[in-house]
Amino acid sequence: ETGVTQSPTHLIKTRGQQVTLRCSSQSGHNTVSWYQQALGQGPQFIFQYYREEENGRGNFPPRFSGLQFPNYSSELNVNALELDDSALYLCASSLGGVPLEQYFGPGTRLTVT
Amino acid sequence: GQQVMQIPQYQHVQEGEDFTTYCNSSTTLSNIQWYKQRPGGHPVFLIQLVKSGEVKKQKRLTFQFGEAKKNSSLHITATQTTDVGTYFCAGRSGGSNYKLTFGKGTLLTVNP
Repeated sequence: ETGVTQSPTHLIKTRGQQVTLRCSSQSGHNTVSWYQQALGQGPQFIFQYYREEENGRGNFPPRFSGLQFPNYSSELNVNALELDDSALYLCASSLGGVPLEQYFGPGTRLTVT
Repeated sequence: GQQVMQIPQYQHVQEGEDFTTYCNSSTTLSNIQWYKQRPGGHPVFLIQLVKSGEVKKQKRLTFQFGEAKKNSSLHITATQTTDVGTYFCAGRSGGSNYKLTFGKGTLLTVNP
């Protein structure tokens, strides 16, 4: 077990709705990265938070946003959900702004209908 | 943008056979990481390679980083059923130190 937790485990939403996913990082880790993994694909980098600041972003639209809290836990918010947003959302915890070893959480399976 | 390609997409072997997956990047990498994801699970970090030509071993697993730092490989000797899963490489280029670009992975299945 990595010590990284995510909630909820599964979620079903309707197109156009908004969703918030949560991640608790491993104790002592100050960096959280979020990834989207579609079925049969590798994880795609959404963004990374380091010490409560976003310090990197992948090719995702602004309706994907996030937060990191003083205890280094994090949220991923997705507005105006689209069918293609259906995927496994993974957070990964690490130490340092340029993360070396990352510890992934179990993920949240989001289904958009 | 940076692309990371992996081959093969799938590999089925008999237990005891060897297995290799290859990773190629469209750009020079500052480092490359390898992850394993069991069916229904999440990626688990295996190793990071940083130096040109670097070779690292973990028991039956051998990881290589190419001289040009644009390709890498993972070789498993004498596969076991516990090796089943998808193996991903993930590269980081010098211009985007925070961003890891994952390949699509190689799904390994092992017939006992």
